[in-house]
Amino acid sequence: AQSVTQLGSHVSVSEGALVLLRCNYSSSVPPYLFWYVQYPNQGLQLLLKYTSAATLVKGINGFEAEFKKSETSFHLTKPSAHMSDAAEYFCAVTRTGTASKLTFGTGTRLQVTL
Amino acid sequence: SQTIHQWPATLVQPVGSPLSLECTVEGTSNPNLYWYRQAAGRGLQLLFYSVGIGQISSEVPQNLSASRPQDRQFILSSKKLLLSDSGFYLCAWRGLGRTANTGELFFGEGSRLTVL
Repeated sequence: AQSVTQLGSHVSVSEGALVLLRCNYSSSVPPYLFWYVQYPNQGLQLLLKYTSAATLVKGINGFEAEFKKSETSFHLTKPSAHMSDAAEYFCAVTRTGTASKLTFGTGTRLQVTL
Repeated sequence: SQTIHQWPATLVQPVGSPLSLECTVEGTSNPNLYWYRQAAGRGLQLLFYSVGIGQISSEVPQNLSASRPQDRQFILSSKKLLLSDSGFYLCAWRGLGRTANTGELFFGEGSRLTVL
């Protein structure tokens, strides 16, 4: 079985500050990992994905994530938060080679303050 | 390019009434299709997925059913809604080719269901 754990259901940062959203995964086989963003009353949009190539993955809107096998982590970062980054962020995992179902974390709501 | 549409966007229904949510994908053939439900503070729960016409897999026992009458159409239904069916329902697809092998899904805009 595979799973992801997102630490912190709510994170608040000041505009211009570093954004760090934490995700740890559990998988018995090499995983594919994803970060999605959801704005209020909208669907999920893919931010970035790790598919066993480079461990540092760059995505849209200035976000990036680093796959660390030793720590079973895939934390999402952005050097400088913008008000428009306020949204809910979901980490998700699937198994290499099956690519049939994604398992999502419970989400982290990011608040950006002035 | 591929697009996915869900409707209705918002629905308020009384307990015991029927439900039909529709999802349609354009610009691709033979996609895998998924229904997720999102409840507050509980992330996304996979309800059903389909790999082809008439092929439905249910992930959790519940008051809902799904059907795929056409290649790019996926319908979520209920004969009698319960209060616990309230939530935000998301349809998603995964296509063929490169993205199929890496597993990412592409989501619709969602349908918010309130059962009173």
